[in-house]
Amino acid sequence: DAGITQSPRHKVTETGTPVTLRCHQTENHRYMYWYRQDPGHGLRLIHYSYGVKDTDKGEVSDGYSVSRSKTEDFLLTLESATSSQTSVYFCAISSSGSYNEQFFGPGTRLTVL
Amino acid sequence: SQQGEEDPQALSIQEGENATMNCSYKTSINNLQWYRQNSGRGLVHLILIRSNEREKHSGRLRVTLDTSKKSSSLLITASRAADTASYFCATPPSGGSYIPTFGRGTSLIVHP
Repeated sequence: DAGITQSPRHKVTETGTPVTLRCHQTENHRYMYWYRQDPGHGLRLIHYSYGVKDTDKGEVSDGYSVSRSKTEDFLLTLESATSSQTSVYFCAISSSGSYNEQFFGPGTRLTVL
Repeated sequence: SQQGEEDPQALSIQEGENATMNCSYKTSINNLQWYRQNSGRGLVHLILIRSNEREKHSGRLRVTLDTSKKSSSLLITASRAADTASYFCATPPSGGSYIPTFGRGTSLIVHP
């Protein structure tokens, strides 16, 4: 497996609380992505990064922010969690853009009560 | 909106049979990728086919691409119970964002 980890792997939180998910890679890949996966919707892109401090929004970015201060870490923050953000969150990395495969982390299951 | 859509949504077959799933997409692409996801795990890349290729093989996998119809198919031959998983196509659009978008997936169950 590619060297990509996510933490925490499971989290239960309450509505209105801030939550930060961490993605860590040891591959020195330039691109990092956050997706959420929900039944009936497949995988949807939240935010992505194409370098340190370079990030952009994806399809479902409302309510989420990201930061990338180091090549190896990509943080996803829910400023004020809502029940609609209950989901499984996947981080992915790739060495370049569209011609390279993405490597996925194991996922974080987040439940917002 | 999702660029790629897999069909069928679910497929149930017996071990040894072939499994075929399809992906249709909307806009021009640089390439098309297929991924597998086992239950509770992250996605794993299976194969990438470029827009100028028509067919590609990898072990028991055969992928075709028809850019005129904006469609691709993934064939798994002589399926095994271990092939039970969800399969997704990913389509990075050309001429702009390189970010691949994923369909909703095909859930494949292979009965032993």
